[in-house]
Amino acid sequence: DQQVKQNSPSLSVQEGRISILNCDYTNSMFDYFLWYKKYPAEGPTFLISISSIKDKNEDGRFTVFLNKSAKHLSLHIVPSQPGDSAVYFCAASAAQGGSEKLVFGKGMKLTVNP
Amino acid sequence: EADIYQTPRYLVIGTGKKITLECSQTMGHDKMYWYQQDPGMELHLIHYSYGVNSTEKGDLSSESTVSRIRTEHFPLTLESARPSHTSQYLCASSEPGPVVYEQFFGPGTRLTVL
Repeated sequence: DQQVKQNSPSLSVQEGRISILNCDYTNSMFDYFLWYKKYPAEGPTFLISISSIKDKNEDGRFTVFLNKSAKHLSLHIVPSQPGDSAVYFCAASAAQGGSEKLVFGKGMKLTVNP
Repeated sequence: EADIYQTPRYLVIGTGKKITLECSQTMGHDKMYWYQQDPGMELHLIHYSYGVNSTEKGDLSSESTVSRIRTEHFPLTLESARPSHTSQYLCASSEPGPVVYEQFFGPGTRLTVL
């Protein structure tokens, strides 16, 4: 059973608008969450992370929100740029439980149109 | 900037051949990982290592084997390749310590077994 779910396989937005990527998880032991971006024929690159003791983390155009009660997190990109077009993976870890392994979602393809 | 390398980038090989996928990192990271990913699917952890002479199987069963004789090198071997092994293989590494740090990924090896 998937523990990390990205239910929308794709999203298309206009340049300059906000992109919102969603991620849900089922394992209540997860306490650290990461977003990765992946271009074709390249490995994933780390984007931003959040610990479960926070509900928001911001880095430039990227903000991640965590709603623990709903087991839901989202990545906001504003303003979106054509170079943001990529596949975005949500990942989670149960660090306090002694596991440093990451569990990934299936990814969402973001297309930012000029 | 992450320095993690994988060779070959692409490999097409016949059934029954023995192959080794190379992964090296120059960051001195103790922790290294191998993931398998099919298009549109999540990354699945198949092997990991927390240091020299330490190897563990991941969450997804794999017929491949790994070794960790040197900190910087974490090769993956398939003794007899089969079409079911066709996939993308991603190597990653992360810093040591009790906190979950982001994993740095190599560019991947796309393996096709005919």
